[in-house]
Amino acid sequence: GENVEQHPSTLSVQEGDSAVIKCTYSDSASNYFPWYKQELGKRPQLIIDIRSNVGEKKDQRIAVTLNKTAKHFSLHITETQPEDSAVYFCAASRAETSYDKVIFGPGTSLSVIP
Amino acid sequence: DSGVTQTPKHLITATGQRVTLRCSPRSGDLSVYWYQQSLDQGLQFLIQYYNGEERAKGNILERFSAQQFPDLHSELNLSSLELGDSALYFCASSINHNEQFFGPGTRLTVL
Repeated sequence: GENVEQHPSTLSVQEGDSAVIKCTYSDSASNYFPWYKQELGKRPQLIIDIRSNVGEKKDQRIAVTLNKTAKHFSLHITETQPEDSAVYFCAASRAETSYDKVIFGPGTSLSVIP
Repeated sequence: DSGVTQTPKHLITATGQRVTLRCSPRSGDLSVYWYQQSLDQGLQFLIQYYNGEERAKGNILERFSAQQFPDLHSELNLSSLELGDSALYFCASSINHNEQFFGPGTRLTVL
C-alpha cells in the first residue's frame, strides 16, 4: 500500500544552523507534497507545498526539493530559530483527483537550541 | 484560526460506549478529512468526504463510521470504544484537494 517514510524522527540543531528533513513516498501517482508544522498542543498548519511539475520551491527561510524519479522530497530550514521547534510532517497525495487519500509521514520532532 | 470548527473539544467516556465527533468545514470547502493522532504519534488518515460522498478510506476501524451532511458538516462516530481509541481526532477541510486546514481537534479519553 501507499507509504511515506520520514527521517530523522528527531533532530536537534543550534540556533542559526540549518535543518534538513527527508521523505520518501511509494505511490508514483502522487503529485502533491505538503509539509505541515505542528507546535505542541496545536493543530497542524501548512508551511510549504510542492507539486510534481516543480523541482524546488522556496519561501523565505524554508525550501522544499522534489526528486520524482527517486520519489524523494526534502524540507530545508535555514537560519533556524527557537520558534521553529515543532513536529514537522511531510505528506503525499494525488491532489485534484477524486481519490485524495493523503498519506502523512510519521513526523520529525525538531528542537532548536538557543 | 483556520475556520474549521470541531466539537466537543474534550470528551471523556468509558469503554464500550459510543461517541460522535462533529466538524464544520471552512465556508466553501467541499472536502472533509478525518485523522487520528495518538500520543506522540503521527497523523493517521481515517476517511475523506467530498460534497457528501465518501472518496477515500484509510485505516478506519469497522467500529468507526463517518458521514458528511448536505450542509457539508461531518460527523465521526466511534462505537464500542476501547482504551486504545484514546487520541486526538482532527478534522480538516480543503477546497481543491490541496492545502488542508485543520480544526482544533477533539481529545477523546476512554477510561
